Amino acid sequence: AQSVTQPDIHITVSEGASLELRCNYSYGATPYLFWYVQSPGQGLQLLLKYFSGDTLVQGIKGFEAEFKRSQSSFNLRKPSVHWSDAAEYFCAVGGSARQLTFGSGTQLTVLP
Amino acid sequence: EPEVTQTPSHQVTQMGQEVILRCVPISNHLYFYWYRQILGQKVEFLVSFYNNEISEKSEIFDDQFSVERPDGSNFTLKIRSTKLEDSAMYFCASSRQGMDEQYFGPGTRLTVT
Repeated sequence: AQSVTQPDIHITVSEGASLELRCNYSYGATPYLFWYVQSPGQGLQLLLKYFSGDTLVQGIKGFEAEFKRSQSSFNLRKPSVHWSDAAEYFCAVGGSARQLTFGSGTQLTVLP
Repeated sequence: EPEVTQTPSHQVTQMGQEVILRCVPISNHLYFYWYRQILGQKVEFLVSFYNNEISEKSEIFDDQFSVERPDGSNFTLKIRSTKLEDSAMYFCASSRQGMDEQYFGPGTRLTVT
């Protein structure tokens, strides 16, 4: 069965600082990997995805993520965080991209 | 930019009542999904729907649940006899193809009293 672990429940960073959110997955074959962001009262917005090819993927809002098969990881990064990035971030894995399994989420707080 | 819409945004119902949650997927998308998120828990897959039939469903999606695409635009989730534990945020999503990313709606918060 596929699963996703986001080890950090809550992360606090200062505005302008760099950010890395961790995601580890369990899946038997090459997975489809996603990062979504959820602001309060909003739905899930896709930040980026990995299906195949280049293991470093670029997304919206200046985010990027790197797929590391050897570590079963798909960590999300941003070089300089903005106050508007404060939200909850979810990593998800899908064997077919249809049935997604989500992690428990990481709440990001940005200090001024 | 096209988006998935859901109505209502909040639904309150009594235990044992039937509820129908409505979604309008993105117009050229072919795959449709329902997920739910119980407060404080993970987002969980319920069901996927393609070509007017269920393609995948989770263990959560038991006989109390059903989905339908009654016309060319709406996609509905029906819960026949709601239970307290059905209280959750229900998200609809759609994708152009089965191998594409899913776009999520804003959710319907269902409260069962």
